[in-house]
Amino acid sequence: DIVMTQSPLSLSVTPGEPASISCRSSQSLLYSNGYNYLDWYLQKPGQSPQLLIYLASNRASGVPDRFSGSGSGTDFTLKISRVEAEDVGVYYCMQAVEIPRTFGPGTKVDIK
Amino acid sequence: EVQVVESGGGLVQPGRSLRLSCTTSGFTFGDYAMSWFRQSPGKGPEWLSVIRSKAYGESIEYAASVRGRFTISRDDSTSIAYLQMSYLKTEDTALYYCTRDIDRGSAANWGLGTLVTVS
Repeated sequence: DIVMTQSPLSLSVTPGEPASISCRSSQSLLYSNGYNYLDWYLQKPGQSPQLLIYLASNRASGVPDRFSGSGSGTDFTLKISRVEAEDVGVYYCMQAVEIPRTFGPGTKVDIK
Repeated sequence: EVQVVESGGGLVQPGRSLRLSCTTSGFTFGDYAMSWFRQSPGKGPEWLSVIRSKAYGESIEYAASVRGRFTISRDDSTSIAYLQMSYLKTEDTALYYCTRDIDRGSAANWGLGTLVTVS
């Protein structure tokens, strides 16, 4: 199985400031079609996970443009350009290049 | 608006069975793969199974932890996906989510989940 790691595991951010989360995979997530099958999800407190970014850099429907994803192969980054209070929760990366899909351990983001 | 609603959870004894349902609306169900995930308290999500669309032969995959015990299925005529769970173990206790998948397997829409307690 592909092992996903994330750093940091927790992050405390001042509103209006940027934030960045790193995700690494034990194998390349670059598929033969040229796409990287890496997703980012946010699970807000008491809620279900929601898709933020798919194919490493595509924002899901309704996701604010302050969220952006980048990276290729085994190294990926989620950036929040200006953190807002509603962005608190646990961020997970997940690989979808092969079965079983596997998640990173999560990064807990809170507001200073 | 896409809606995904899980149901069928509850308290069940070890070794018994339970069938979860995933009722959907707001999209052409037959065009999409559907997956099941679960999440134990305080832990991250765990992918369990996927059933692809008819265009992909309704192919099915399972996580090793549930293979041979859980069975995924779909009914395109009613837009419902199912997860038949047999030989339940205490470690199967979790909140179970159904998702509509896009592309190769991104879980685009999640329901609120249905709680399964095996005790």
